[in-house]
Order: sequence, then C-alpha cells, then structure tokens
Amino acid sequence: NAGVTQTPKFQVLKTGQSMTLQCAQDMNHEYMSWYRQDPGMGLRLIHYSVGAGITDQGEVPNGYNVSRSTTEDFPLRLLSAAPSQTSVYFCASSHPGLAYEQYFGPGTRLTVT
Amino acid sequence: AQKITQTQPGMFVQEKEAVTLDCTYDTSDQSYGLFWYKQPSSGEMIFLIYQGSYDEQNATEGRYSLNFQKARKSANLVISASQLGDSAMYFCAMRNTGNQFYFGTGTSLTVIP
Repeated sequence: NAGVTQTPKFQVLKTGQSMTLQCAQDMNHEYMSWYRQDPGMGLRLIHYSVGAGITDQGEVPNGYNVSRSTTEDFPLRLLSAAPSQTSVYFCASSHPGLAYEQYFGPGTRLTVT
Repeated sequence: AQKITQTQPGMFVQEKEAVTLDCTYDTSDQSYGLFWYKQPSSGEMIFLIYQGSYDEQNATEGRYSLNFQKARKSANLVISASQLGDSAMYFCAMRNTGNQFYFGTGTSLTVIP
C-alpha cells in the first residue's frame, strides 16, 4: 500500500494564480481531510470529507475549494493564491469514528510570491 | 468552541529520563477521541497513541503513555526512557463527534545526550 500520497512536494505560485494540490489514498478510508501547518500554529483543518460526494468546511476554508468524486481522491483547489496561503499542506485519511487515527501524506510546501 | 492547548513551546530532557508533555482540551461533546502525533524534522506526522473519552484506563503504547484526567480535561503524554530519536515536535489532537480534528500548537522536545 502506498498509503496517502500528495503531489506536488513543492510549489511556487505567483499571487492570483490558481492550482490544485492532489491527494490520494489506497486504504479505502471514508474520511479525508486537508490541513495547513504554519509556524507556531499547529495544524488547522481546511476542509474535510466523510465520504464520496460529501465535503464540509473546517476552521480555515476561505480561499480553498474541495470535491470528493471518488473514495480515493480528495483534491484541494486554491482559487486565487495569496501570500497568506504560503504554508505546508497536509492531506490525511482515516476510517470514520472517534477511535481511528489519521494517516498523513508527506505534505506539500507551497510558497506564494 | 473546541480547542487544544499545549503550553510548553519547548522542552528539554536528559537521555533515559522520563518527560511529560502537557495538553488540555476544551469541548462540550460527551464523546471524543484524543491523539498524540510526533513530527520529526523530516516533516512527516507519526501517530503515537489514542485515548477515548469513555476509556477508564490510561492508554499505553510501548514507551508512550497518556495521563488522561477527564474532569480536568487534560491528556498529557508521558515518554519514558527518552532516546535521542525522540527529539521532535509533538502535537496533541482531538477528534469530535462531528469528525473534525483539532490540533494544538505543539511542543518541541529536545533529548540531551
């Protein structure tokens, strides 16, 4: 099993550009989520999904869109990149339910200039 | 509002000694899950230990144990017999019944030889 994969590993964008961060998992997990990690702020939930066709907002959803057309994939779209979106982005997946830990991807380091 | 607080930005421990990393949480949910993750300098997120809100016994996983005090809403991580490889960031997290995860800001642990 590859686990949770994310592409790209690194990305530099100019302000106003759009892009999609890819996330895929091969563990048949229903739950998937996106976080951003900024220095001194831990991980903050952007969007999450409890199954194909179902998405919901987390703590910091503004400026990001998601969709979940399959169980395996959960892409994150930046609509119009801003310097404030410079961060490390993690995708994670798990079975639903309180007792299940999340499996994280390796992260994408995004810089917006 | 749900919140995780880690009040120790940085901690030092002598090799082979035990160390406690503090975590308090705030939730009105009756059911929730508490997790600790380790993030080494390489950046990946590694699951360490889980405690359910209705578990009466403290969780243990090898050298990791979770000191769960429900009335005080605390979930401290205890690492026994510290090793140099334990040097990393440690994050406390909570999963609520709405399937949202909340993370603390982390504690940087340095193990001194």
